Amino acid sequence: GDSVTQMEGPVTLSEEAFLTINCTYTATGYPSLFWYVQYPGEGLQLLLKATKADDKGSNKGFEATYRKETTSFHLEKGSVQVSDSAVYFCALSEVLTGGGNKLTFGTGTQLKVEL
Amino acid sequence: EPEVTQTPSHQVTQMGQEVILRCVPISNHLYFYWYRQILGQKVEFLVSFYNNEISEKSEIFDDQFSVERPDGSNFTLKIRSTKLEDSAMYFCASSEEASGGVEQFFGPGTRLTVL
Repeated sequence: GDSVTQMEGPVTLSEEAFLTINCTYTATGYPSLFWYVQYPGEGLQLLLKATKADDKGSNKGFEATYRKETTSFHLEKGSVQVSDSAVYFCALSEVLTGGGNKLTFGTGTQLKVEL
Repeated sequence: EPEVTQTPSHQVTQMGQEVILRCVPISNHLYFYWYRQILGQKVEFLVSFYNNEISEKSEIFDDQFSVERPDGSNFTLKIRSTKLEDSAMYFCASSEEASGGVEQFFGPGTRLTVL
């Protein structure tokens, strides 16, 4: 079945450092790819998405490019802030024949940004 | 901004007891989901619900689990006889459409502890 693998955390960075969180996937067909973020005490929120190969999703300074040839969707940010401290989840989406779509998640990567 | 809400935030129960986890999806959404996350593990898909019936369920979603949309606004997950291994964070989600790239909106989760 479909699966997502993302780098283990926790990741600890200083403010203004460059961030990369690796994500690779295995899927039949061409799934849509997502990054969700979970701030402490809150639910998962969509950070960005890409629906086809070579698409770049971006939001709040974060970017990820859908690479079909390497089956990857790595998350990057040029300069992290303390407020970016959260858990980041990579996910792929499969449309269900009966209705709706199913998200398959990676394990999540905890990011801690220090001053 | 509309949001998905879940109650309670934390539920403690004895093994063998029934629990009902409640969710209020976003009002104009048509597709509803439950996911769970056992501590330290991946967020896992449990079930999707559309047009008043289950559209897909995972292997985890056995006969002990059921879902219902009793009144057009609430969406519930019932576990009939809880086991220790049901201890997890349970997330409800909803979406407006069913295409692969559509966002699912998540609630803050209910932490279920089975003693």
